[in-house]
Amino acid sequence: EPEVTQTPSHQVTQMGQEVILRCVPISNHLYFYWYRQILGQKVEFLVSFYNNEISEKSEIFDDQFSVERPDGSNFTLKIRSTKLEDSAMYFCASSGERGYEQYFGPGTRLTVT
Amino acid sequence: GENVEQHPSTLSVQEGDSAVIKCTYSDSASNYFPWYKQELGKGPQLIIDIRSNVGEKKDQRIAVTLNKTAKHFSLHITETQPEDSAVYFCAATPNYGGSQGNLIFGKGTKLSVKP
Repeated sequence: EPEVTQTPSHQVTQMGQEVILRCVPISNHLYFYWYRQILGQKVEFLVSFYNNEISEKSEIFDDQFSVERPDGSNFTLKIRSTKLEDSAMYFCASSGERGYEQYFGPGTRLTVT
Repeated sequence: GENVEQHPSTLSVQEGDSAVIKCTYSDSASNYFPWYKQELGKGPQLIIDIRSNVGEKKDQRIAVTLNKTAKHFSLHITETQPEDSAVYFCAATPNYGGSQGNLIFGKGTKLSVKP
């Protein structure tokens, strides 16, 4: 069964450093999303991506964040200068139809020290 | 914007009993309501969903009901098993111009099924 994969599973970085989180969505999907989940809290939407551009972004997704689909398979989230409050699980999701049946990856745990 | 409320925050049942989790949403234009199961250390797993043109959907031991007038939807798990123990999240997708279907999640329900 096709699945969304994410790497790395855990990333530890120092405050102010840049990190890139990587995702491989399900191959025939067209809509891609990043969400985050701070420990013990609900999952929050960050950004959606379609047709090689950002479709929608939340207030959390400020200028420190960017997304890219550098090739036909990868979808990345970059945080330019990490802050302590960026520590969270970051989930990538993809769907074949706008918004419906979003499948999530296993997540990347980002720890900013 | 859309707001999703979920109750209860924790639920403990005996194996074999039924479990019901309820969610309300604020945006009457929302049109898609999935439920996710999250096990410890894993990503949310889509277990069932319902679109706004349907009132009920069932898949084996799991069912979801939707009341558009009251703006609430519920997850029903029958004959619970210990492996059903997890955190369950409801979600809704806003349906306004420009929306690409981002999910708005509830705060989650930790379900514990005791053998």
